[in-house]
Amino acid sequence: ILNVEQSPQSLHVQEGDSTNFTCSFPSSNFYALHWYRWETAKSPEALFVMTLNGDEKKKGRISATLNTKEGYSYLYIKGSQPEDSATYLCACRPSNTGKLIFGQGTTLQVKP
Amino acid sequence: ETGVTQTPRHLVMGMTNKKSLKCEQHLGHNAMYWYKQSAKKPLELMFVYSLEERVENNSVPSRFSPECPNSSHLFLHLHTLQPEDSALYLCASSQGTGGSEKLFFGSGTQLSVL
Repeated sequence: ILNVEQSPQSLHVQEGDSTNFTCSFPSSNFYALHWYRWETAKSPEALFVMTLNGDEKKKGRISATLNTKEGYSYLYIKGSQPEDSATYLCACRPSNTGKLIFGQGTTLQVKP
Repeated sequence: ETGVTQTPRHLVMGMTNKKSLKCEQHLGHNAMYWYKQSAKKPLELMFVYSLEERVENNSVPSRFSPECPNSSHLFLHLHTLQPEDSALYLCASSQGTGGSEKLFFGSGTQLSVL
């Protein structure tokens, strides 16, 4: 059974702090890695999909990296703002015919 | 607004009731999904439909019955549920099921089974 682990489970930071989270997944038979942001009472929203080792993606102050050989992805938020408060989910697709397996998420709280 | 609409937002039902969850997507996608999120557990895939055909049934009990009449609509029919089925049920859509397509989610139905 594929296990996708996210750490930390939760994080509290001050406005302006930069932060990062980790997503770990089995490196064998990897196909794609997804990141989603899920704000309270809203729908999960796709941030990035990455497939290649060494991929780096950026969207505003949020960026992500991928290391498929060692089985991890980092999500970075530069200069956190209160509106960044959300649960950040990663999900791994082990092959192009497999299903997307989600981690439990990292919940970020940014204090003004 | 993600282009994926789910109704109802909240549902309370007894164990002997029959109810249905509805999902509609306005994105022109050809794949639709049902996910379940129980408390303190990761999102769990239940069903996948691609081009209106079911391509994944993730060992879901038969008291959950999906229906996909066309590529824009997806239903989840519920009957004789158990209290442990109380959860958030999310619908999603994507353009294809190859694995690198982003999922677009609805806001979910919070289901309570009494």
